[in-house]
Amino acid sequence: AQSVTQLDSHVSVSEGTPVLLRCNYSSSYSPSLFWYVQHPNKGLQLLLKYTSAATLVKGINGFEAEFKKSETSFHLTKPSAHMSDAAEYFCVVIFPVGYNKLIFGAGTRLAVHP
Amino acid sequence: DAGVTQSPTHLIKTRGQHVTLRCSPISGHKSVSWYQQVLGQGPQFIFQYYEKEERGRGNFPDRFSARQFPNYSSELNVNALLLGDSALYLCASSQTDMNTEAFFGQGTRLTVV
Repeated sequence: AQSVTQLDSHVSVSEGTPVLLRCNYSSSYSPSLFWYVQHPNKGLQLLLKYTSAATLVKGINGFEAEFKKSETSFHLTKPSAHMSDAAEYFCVVIFPVGYNKLIFGAGTRLAVHP
Repeated sequence: DAGVTQSPTHLIKTRGQHVTLRCSPISGHKSVSWYQQVLGQGPQFIFQYYEKEERGRGNFPDRFSARQFPNYSSELNVNALLLGDSALYLCASSQTDMNTEAFFGQGTRLTVV
């Protein structure tokens, strides 16, 4: 079965320091993996996606993620946090069951302090 | 181009009532999916519709139903509302049922009192 585990429910960083949000997945298939961001009272915005091309994926706003099959991980990173990065981040795996069903992790809340 | 639009943005209902939530997908997109996001949790899959047919259903009771119209817009209906139905309901639009990229609306915040 497909599932994702986000290892941290809350992450707090200082502005200008690196960000690491951790995600492990379980998949019986070659997975398609995503990171979405949700700002307060907003919908979900796609940050980046991995669909079996390059293992290092670059997304919007300076974020990137590396697919590591041996570790079943898809961690999200950013070299330097900005105040506007404060939001909820979701790691997502697609469950292809004749249609694409998105399976979300529980989310990681990122706080950025001045 | 307009993104995914959902209406209403907020509503308050009483236990036992029914509610209809609406979603208009991005122009040219033929698939609409619905997700429920309870406070503090990730979204959970409810339904997917493609070309007006139900393609998949999540683990939700029969009180939840949906349909898709010829213009590809969609409605989510919930009958006999329970307090536990209070959540943010998100609509996602994609070109087909097998597209890997889904675009989300801002959601409808439902509060059941």
